[in-house]
Amino acid sequence: NAGVTQTPKFQVLKTGQSMTLQCAQDMNHEYMSWYRQDPGMGLRLIHYSVGAGITDQGEVPNGYNVSRSTTEDFPLRLLSAAPSQTSVYFCASSYSGIRTGTEGYGYTFGSGTRLTVV
Amino acid sequence: GDSVTQMEGPVTLSEEAFLTINCTYTATGYPSLFWYVQYPGEGLQLLLKATKADDKGSNKGFEATYRKETTSFHLEKGSVQVSDSAVYFCALSSPSSGGGADGLTFGKGTHLIIQP
Repeated sequence: NAGVTQTPKFQVLKTGQSMTLQCAQDMNHEYMSWYRQDPGMGLRLIHYSVGAGITDQGEVPNGYNVSRSTTEDFPLRLLSAAPSQTSVYFCASSYSGIRTGTEGYGYTFGSGTRLTVV
Repeated sequence: GDSVTQMEGPVTLSEEAFLTINCTYTATGYPSLFWYVQYPGEGLQLLLKATKADDKGSNKGFEATYRKETTSFHLEKGSVQVSDSAVYFCALSSPSSGGGADGLTFGKGTHLIIQP
């Protein structure tokens, strides 16, 4: 029972480089989302998805792209990394409230990717 | 929009002390409320939740009661241990977003330090 798996755990990029942060879940969750965590800022939502083929922007989407081709995977792409994107990134997944009959089932989080852009 | 406000700390207590971490929220309708805990170097773990007014969530000796009249969800523990040292996040999911479809709204986190 792996839960939510994020790779890599650590990454250093040079300004302008591109990369993809991987996220996979094996719980058949409909909802998936990406957050960034910065000191004194809490967690801020980057992008989210309510199911395969459906994505939308969160609070801080600029500089990031996502896609959801399968229920299991929700990769986050940085097309041209900037120092302002230095952060810890968390992926999370959840059942839909409608499916369980209980609103706000609660998200399961991955262990995070610590990204440094120099 | 939705928002969560919590005391940021750090909060430093001695072992066996009583803990309260305040959390208040602003949301449309009746959100579900959560406390998450983050231990050093790890991701977030769901600690407890409440989905309607007057519900009490509890886990590992921690409790929080959903108070609609004061829009609060304060976290309490009667006797803290050194192992409780972590960052605690209050969060909500709004029913207007399909019960969390567009993710959670988090407070900024409270760093709790328990000294032996």
